[in-house]
Amino acid sequence: AQSVTQLDSQVPVFEEAPVELRCNYSSSVSVYLFWYVQYPNQGLQLLLKYLSGSTLVKGINGFEAEFNKSQTSFHLRKPSVHISDTAEYFCAVLSGGYNKLIFGAGTRLAVHP
Amino acid sequence: DTEVTQTPKHLVMGMTNKKSLKCEQHMGHRAMYWYKQKAKKPPELMFVYSYEKLSINESVPSRFSPECPNSSLLNLHLHALQPEDSALYLCASSQDPARAYEQYFGPGTRLTVT
Repeated sequence: AQSVTQLDSQVPVFEEAPVELRCNYSSSVSVYLFWYVQYPNQGLQLLLKYLSGSTLVKGINGFEAEFNKSQTSFHLRKPSVHISDTAEYFCAVLSGGYNKLIFGAGTRLAVHP
Repeated sequence: DTEVTQTPKHLVMGMTNKKSLKCEQHMGHRAMYWYKQKAKKPPELMFVYSYEKLSINESVPSRFSPECPNSSLLNLHLHALQPEDSALYLCASSQDPARAYEQYFGPGTRLTVT
């Protein structure tokens, strides 16, 4: 079965600092990976996706992620964060049937002034 | 219009009540989803409707009853719930079942069962 593991439950960072949120996946077949963001009291929003092709994926709000097959990782990065980036971030994988998202436990990004 | 709307935003109900949650989208999407999200946890899939037909039921108790009256509307009927059912209920849609990776989420209904 496919799954994702988010290695950090919380990541505190100062404004304008770089940040990396870590995600590892387990899959024995082709894998499709995603990052979603959930702002307080809101639903989820797709940040970026990896389906195939270039391993460096750029998303919205200045985020990017790199698919690393040898490390089975899909870490999310941003070179300079803003207070408004404070949110819960979920890594997700599409299930083998390709019609179901499996979410990781989430990483709470807290950006401090 | 890329919006998924959910009503009500908040709902408090007793264990003997019957209530319904409503979800609506006007993007022409043919797949719709219900998720349950407990505090500080990821969303858990409950149901998937594909072309107005129930395609996935993740072994959800029968006190939750989904309904898809048309391609724009998704309901979740609630009856005889337990306090542990208190959670944020999220609705989502995607263009079709094959694009389940690109789901548009509503803001959710926060349900409290007393």
